[in-house]
Amino acid sequence: EVQLVESGGGLVQPGGSLRLSCAASGFTLSGYWMHWVRQGPGKGLEWVSRINGVGTTTAYADSVRGRFTISRDNAKNTLYLEMNSLRAEDTAVYFCAREKSASPDDWGPGTLVTVSS
Amino acid sequence: QSALTQPPSASGSPGQSVTISCTGTSSDVGSYDYVSWYQQHPGKAPKLMIYEVSKRASGVPDRFSGSKSGNTASLTVSGLQAEDEADYYCISYVGSNSFVFGTGTKVAVL
Repeated sequence: EVQLVESGGGLVQPGGSLRLSCAASGFTLSGYWMHWVRQGPGKGLEWVSRINGVGTTTAYADSVRGRFTISRDNAKNTLYLEMNSLRAEDTAVYFCAREKSASPDDWGPGTLVTVSS
Repeated sequence: QSALTQPPSASGSPGQSVTISCTGTSSDVGSYDYVSWYQQHPGKAPKLMIYEVSKRASGVPDRFSGSKSGNTASLTVSGLQAEDEADYYCISYVGSNSFVFGTGTKVAVL
């Protein structure tokens, strides 16, 4: 059974940093593109970032480019999102998702990031 | 990377049909057949319903169908059921390995 579990969320001050992790099980991570998607409180879904199976190709939304870095450790079956210079508008539930049908397919339950002083 | 435009809400009675539009531009929806649709119930992760414009994801009832014309994609839910009440989002590939979501539509079953 495919499982994705995010962790690393929490409360951080504006300007601070946080690293999210997404532990994958039930499949071989290296075979799939992976995504991060976020959803602010009471808001819609926002695509954040994408990475290919070997970690050599990445893409970012304009809103996070230059501040966030997506990476992966296939040996540990884990996806990461390094978030720097955090702003109040980055407050959201962050989901990781596996791409299987040319779009995010299998999703984790999400982890909440709150940026506040 | 502007969000795709969806109507904020849609509704129908049980057994009726509802169609949700997802309007983009010639640079996203109009250029690629990589439009997907998600259903999201409150407090839950999104669930893939339709991918590549019109293909149903595994286990999705055939009451759900997708289509595209020009810069607008559509999701139709036929034979509405109470459990179809949820938020629905479209997403499109926009090139350069990137994607953009729609603004979301809340579907109510009256």
